Amino acid sequence: QKEVEQNSGPLSVPEGAIASLNCTYSDRGSQSFFWYRQYSGKSPELIMFIYSNGDKEDGRFTAQLNKASQYVSLLIRDSQPSDSATYLCAGNFGNEKLTFGTGTRLTIIP
Amino acid sequence: DAGVIQSPRHEVTEMGQEVTLRCKPISGHNSLFWYRQTMMRGLELLIYFNNNVPIDDSGMPEDRFSAKMPNASFSTLKIQPSEPRDSAVYFCASSNRGDNSPLHFGNGTRLTVT
Repeated sequence: QKEVEQNSGPLSVPEGAIASLNCTYSDRGSQSFFWYRQYSGKSPELIMFIYSNGDKEDGRFTAQLNKASQYVSLLIRDSQPSDSATYLCAGNFGNEKLTFGTGTRLTIIP
Repeated sequence: DAGVIQSPRHEVTEMGQEVTLRCKPISGHNSLFWYRQTMMRGLELLIYFNNNVPIDDSGMPEDRFSAKMPNASFSTLKIQPSEPRDSAVYFCASSNRGDNSPLHFGNGTRLTVT
């Protein structure tokens, strides 16, 4: 069973600080990982994907992947209240379908 | 780009009734996925199609669930008979085939079975 694990939170971060979201996975054969953001009552929307070890930056977001340690993280710099949402980590284990974690609820405190 | 279109947005039905959820993927996408989301279990993959062919239905919980994709622009997920434990949000998503291709989700159908 390929699994993706996330801390469900809630994670509270002051506005302007860095929010750090983490995800671990059980299968070393994983190919790529995706971070989705889901606002309450809405559908998941893609923020970033990463498939190489190291960091990938896109604006205020940085995804980090460490395949040896089997974790992937998402950093959000200069957190804004609009970043308050549930963040879903998903892994592709070479079979085209994504396995999702249960999500981490992030609250940015003004 | 119209995005993935799902209907209905909300469905309330009584136990034992048949429920049909509909999905129109993004034009040109050749993979289609049905997910179910609950508070307890998060997002679970039910079934996915590639080029209209079901590839993996191992996530379909029971024989009461069935899915079809008669053409590249339409798919249905049917529950018959429905039960209260089927209450959830059902998402359809589509992508271009490929391991690094992201999923694009529809707005979901919130199903309540009483």
